[in-house]
Amino acid sequence: QQQVKQSPQSLIVQKGGISIINCAYENTAFDYFPWYQQFPGKGPALLIAIRPDVSEKKEGRFTISFNKSAKQFSLHIMDSQPGDSATYFCAAKVGGGSQGNLIFGKGTKLSVKP
Amino acid sequence: GAGVSQSPSNKVTEKGKDVELRCDPISGHTALYWYRQSLGQGLEFLIYFQGNSAPDKSGLPSDRFSAERTGGSVSTLTIQRTQQEDSAVYLCASSLVTGKSGELFFGEGSRLTVL
Repeated sequence: QQQVKQSPQSLIVQKGGISIINCAYENTAFDYFPWYQQFPGKGPALLIAIRPDVSEKKEGRFTISFNKSAKQFSLHIMDSQPGDSATYFCAAKVGGGSQGNLIFGKGTKLSVKP
Repeated sequence: GAGVSQSPSNKVTEKGKDVELRCDPISGHTALYWYRQSLGQGLEFLIYFQGNSAPDKSGLPSDRFSAERTGGSVSTLTIQRTQQEDSAVYLCASSLVTGKSGELFFGEGSRLTVL
């Protein structure tokens, strides 16, 4: 119930292509879904987040698509660049504020080839 | 400093020894989290402190693990009688209690290697 399942584990995309990472959850009480980006040797940093009252959120080349009925959400990176090469984590939380802890997926290592 | 600071950045210890990992959160952040990152295992929640409330210890894997937060600021994660399976990167994060986004700000982690 508390798990967030993420796929794929790794992804190789050509420069300019679209990167897609998927996550699924079971706990219907989750109501905040962020994505974190982590570069080697660094801590994760918030990339983009969505709440279940919208189906899509876009920030620059990054888009979250959210399907409440399927309990799935995904990250799309348009026009992928080598600088996007990093590990991406989806996460979920009960409550949108700072109460409670974030449950993370196991991560997707993205490599963008020039 | 402007960000979350963790020390040491690297720690090598022998099996059975105790280790202490330190976290200095961002000034003014009342929520503090510890996560463990093992290869291929993602970010595993360990413990969460929020102000003066009792900490959420539900993620601690065994009674060898403990954490405290003194004065609502600095936190120390202690691992007693370390085992090889404790080898991982231990990440600390902090956030604003009033933050609507609940954004976590992570440190760069403490890499623990148990020989």
